[in-house]
Amino acid sequence: KQEVTQIPAALSVPEGENLVLNCSFTDSAIYNLQWFRQDPGKGLTSLLLIQSSQREQTSGRLNASLDKSSGRSTLYIAASQPGDSATYLCAVEGNNDMRFGAGTRLTVKP
Amino acid sequence: GAGVSQTPSNKVTEKGKYVELRCDPISGHTALYWYRQSLGQGPEFLIYFQGTGAADDSGLPNDRFFAVRPEGSVSTLKIQRTERGDSAVYLCASSPSGSGDEQYFGPGTRLTVT
Repeated sequence: KQEVTQIPAALSVPEGENLVLNCSFTDSAIYNLQWFRQDPGKGLTSLLLIQSSQREQTSGRLNASLDKSSGRSTLYIAASQPGDSATYLCAVEGNNDMRFGAGTRLTVKP
Repeated sequence: GAGVSQTPSNKVTEKGKYVELRCDPISGHTALYWYRQSLGQGPEFLIYFQGTGAADDSGLPNDRFFAVRPEGSVSTLKIQRTERGDSAVYLCASSPSGSGDEQYFGPGTRLTVT
């Protein structure tokens, strides 16, 4: 059974810092990996989707990498802003389902 | 176009009651997924539909939970004899054709069992 782990569970940084969120998974047989943002009491907003054949994706200040063989992904956020404060979820899609990590709760202090 | 919608947004029910949660996927999406998210956790897979049929229901926790998608579009998640442990946010997602496609999530239904 696929297990997805996210480290750290929580992170607090001052505004302007660059930061890295980590995600690891146990089964490399995946279709894709997706990073989501979730604000308190809200649904999921997709940030980046990396297909299994890809190594990274970029969108604005966000960059996500995927190393399928080692079962790892990172989400890099450049020049963090208070509006980036949210929970970030990593999810891997296998056969018929998507498995999520527990998330990293990010707080960016002004 | 419209995204995935879910109704109701909030549902409070008493222990032992029956509830139905509704999901309207993006038009034309054949794949539909239900997830459950408990406080402080990531979403947990419940069931996956491809068209009208449940392709994978391995995530349903027990036989009190059941889901249908009779016409291949709208889906209803049904919970019988609700328990306090069923309290969670129930999320629905759809994708164009299934595995490998990006999933688009609805806002969720927050279920509270008192």
